Amino acid sequence: QVQLVESGGGVVQPGRSLRLSCAASGFTFSTYTMQWVRQAPGRGLEWVAVISYDGGIIYYADSVKGRFTISRANSRNTVYLQMSSLRTEDTAVYYCARDGSTEMGIKWYFDLWGRGTLVTVSS
Amino acid sequence: EIVLTQSPGTLSLSPGERATLSCRASQSVPSTYLAWYQQKPGQAPRLLMYGISTRAAGIPDRFSGSGSGTDFSLTISRLEPEDFAVYSCQQYGSSPLTFGGGTKVEIK
Repeated sequence: QVQLVESGGGVVQPGRSLRLSCAASGFTFSTYTMQWVRQAPGRGLEWVAVISYDGGIIYYADSVKGRFTISRANSRNTVYLQMSSLRTEDTAVYYCARDGSTEMGIKWYFDLWGRGTLVTVSS
Repeated sequence: EIVLTQSPGTLSLSPGERATLSCRASQSVPSTYLAWYQQKPGQAPRLLMYGISTRAAGIPDRFSGSGSGTDFSLTISRLEPEDFAVYSCQQYGSSPLTFGGGTKVEIK
């Protein structure tokens, strides 16, 4: 079954760290660019980060640059989001998403999504 | 940054009716780089449309996309019970990519 399953969310205090994982199955993970997108309560979707199929290209939204790190382990079919110096405004459901491209580049739209994992930053 | 404004916020319709959702951009979206997604509570979002009018795999032909420049639309020709959800547009022609706030299509 083609799917993405996120894990690692929870409640964390401001300034602390958290690592999210996204396990992929049912497709050739190592050929796809992967992305993270988040949605704060009552708000629209917000793009967070992207990593190319081989990890050679990485970009971040300005709102998380310097605090979040995206990485992947193709041998484990998993993409990660390491979040540090968390702020209350990082509270959101975090979605892992597959980019609409394979190794031919980044298409910047998302053709497969996970159900998301909730991160709550609160003291 | 391109701001996408979706209207209406909520659309109340009956099954079988036609739904037209609007997505307006604060500046012209380059080329055809606009997508639409469907979200249901507790489920993974689903890609409906990319390149303005190209249906994603498995999307029925009652869904259609149109528009150019700053004005885009998603039309559902005849609403099925499973179509009641939140719909979001996304532009990916200009950095940073951005999403609209969503339109909720609810059962009247």
